[in-house]
Formats: sequence, C-alpha cells, structure tokens
Amino acid sequence: NAGVTQTPKFQVLKTGQSMTLQCAQDMNHNSMYWYRQDPGMGLRLIYYSASEGTTDKGEVPNGYNVSRLNKREFSLRLESAAPSQTSVYFCASSGGRPSTDTQYFGPGTRLTVL
Amino acid sequence: AQSVTQLDSQVPVFEEAPVELRCNYSSSVSVYLFWYVQYPNQGLQLLLKYLSGSTLVKGINGFEAEFNKSQTSFHLRKPSVHISDTAEYFCAVSLLRGAQKLVFGQGTRLTINP
Repeated sequence: NAGVTQTPKFQVLKTGQSMTLQCAQDMNHNSMYWYRQDPGMGLRLIYYSASEGTTDKGEVPNGYNVSRLNKREFSLRLESAAPSQTSVYFCASSGGRPSTDTQYFGPGTRLTVL
Repeated sequence: AQSVTQLDSQVPVFEEAPVELRCNYSSSVSVYLFWYVQYPNQGLQLLLKYLSGSTLVKGINGFEAEFNKSQTSFHLRKPSVHISDTAEYFCAVSLLRGAQKLVFGQGTRLTINP
C-alpha cells in the first residue's frame, strides 16, 4: 500500500498564478484533510472532507478551494496564489470513526510563491 | 475554541538521557489528545493518543504520555532517547464528536547529541 500520496513534491509559483495540489489515499478511508505547516505555527487545518461528497472549512480556508473527486482523491486549489501561501502542505486521511481514528499523513508539497 | 501550547520550541538532550516534552491545552469541553512525530522531510505519524481510561498512555518507540485533567497537560516522556528520536514533535487536540479537526501546538524540535 502506498498510503497517502501527494503531487507535486515541490512547486514554485508567481503571484497570481493558480495551481492544484493533488492527494490520493489507497486505504479506503472516509475522511480526508488538508493542512498547511508554517515555521513556529504547527499545522493548521485548511479544509476537510468527512465523507465522499462533503467538504467543510477548517481554520484557515481563505484563498483555497477543495474538491473531493471520489473516495480516494481530495484536491486543493489555489486560484490566485499569494506570497502568504508559501508553506508546506500536507494531506491526511482517516477511516472508521472520524473523531478517534488515526490520521495518516502524506509526505507534503513544498510551495513557494514569489 | 481549543488551543495547544508546547512550552519548549527546542529541546537538546544527550543520547540515553531521559526527556520530557511539555504540552498544555485549553478547551471549554472535553477533548481527545494526540502526539505526532515528524522526521526530517517526512509527513507526520502518530506516536500515541488519549481517548479515555488510564491517564498513562503508551505509544510507539518507547514513548509514553500522561494526561492530567486538572493541569490540562499531556506531557510526552521517554526514559532513554536514541539518535533516531531526533525529530519534531507535535501535540494536538480534537473534539469528541464529528470530524477529527486537529488543533496542533507549535511543535518541539528534539535534538539528540551523541
């Protein structure tokens, strides 16, 4: 099993450009999450999807959109990138009972916005 | 709203010495508690979690944590560290119901010196 995979691993954008970060999991998990990690701030939840067909905002959703394409895939889109969105982005998934189950994280996407 | 404070941003220790990483949380309702570890250039993985029952929780790699409700703390300990424990450690909380929207602390970088 590959677990949680993310593409791309690295990306450099110019201000105003758009891009989509891809995430896929092969563990048949119901719930998927997107976080951003900034130095000294830990991880912050951007959006999550409790089950296929549903999405909801997390702590820092402004400037992002998400799509739960199917049970396996959950993408994060930046419509007009800004330097403040320079960060490392992690996707995670969990199965079973959402509130108690372990979240499994992907390896991350390092995004730089110039 | 919930918040998590990790009291030390960096902790240097010598190999085979004991270590304690401190975590305090704030919440008006009961929460679940988690410790995650991030090895260099990797995603996060779960070390241990407290859901209910015994306040002393044992995790992987010889780590354990103690939940103290009166002190609102969930400190992580290991009696003897190894070079391979060098990583960043994150404490997190989530609500008891619904999707597991983790709220993370700022992280503690553990450095093991030979």
